[in-house]
Amino acid sequence: QVQLQQWGAGLLNPSETLSLTCAVYGGSLNGYYWSWIRRPPGKGLEWIGEVHDSGGTNYSPSLKSRISMSVDSSKNQFSLKMRSVTAADTAVYHCVRNRGSDWKQRFFDNWGQGILVTVSS
Amino acid sequence: DIQMTQSPSTLSAYVGDRVTITCRASQNTGSLLAWYQQKPGKAPNLLIYKTSTLESGVPSRFSGSGSGTEFTLTISSLQADDFATYYCQQYSSYSTFGGGTKVEIK
Repeated sequence: QVQLQQWGAGLLNPSETLSLTCAVYGGSLNGYYWSWIRRPPGKGLEWIGEVHDSGGTNYSPSLKSRISMSVDSSKNQFSLKMRSVTAADTAVYHCVRNRGSDWKQRFFDNWGQGILVTVSS
Repeated sequence: DIQMTQSPSTLSAYVGDRVTITCRASQNTGSLLAWYQQKPGKAPNLLIYKTSTLESGVPSRFSGSGSGTEFTLTISSLQADDFATYYCQQYSSYSTFGGGTKVEIK
């Protein structure tokens, strides 16, 4: 069973850059898209974007101006960076595996436990 | 963006009840619709994909139906373990989730 574990800074000041990394255990990055999904307090889930093991990316239109994603196949890890954060970016962030590498497989079958990122001055 | 609207936002039910949650899309999503269950402090768990395909290991009391812009998740006989929040997700165009339906004990 694939396990995902994410880490990064849990408290940021407004305007700083959020940086999260996710390690994949018990499986390979190969052949999948890997997504980031967040849930702000009291709100629903929001898909942030995805990165393929080849490095290809797709981002949410509402966030694409501020985010970038990358993979490090040598470490079996992938990462998220989000620039110029505000209080509205406060959320639990999950790293997630898509079912496959086809856009018709953009549903999510393995989730990391999530990390709370708080943006506050 | 395709907007997903779930109803109701909260549902109170007894163990053994038949429960139905509705998800409406602002545009046609074909059959590319998934459902998830989330319990407090836990990550969401995939229940159903492609509208009606049950994920491996998910009890058969869960079922999904619909097409285009209207979809439903049905729990045929609610069990104690089913009290949770449920989300729909379209993946026809990028991905968006519904606002969630919290199923509470009555």
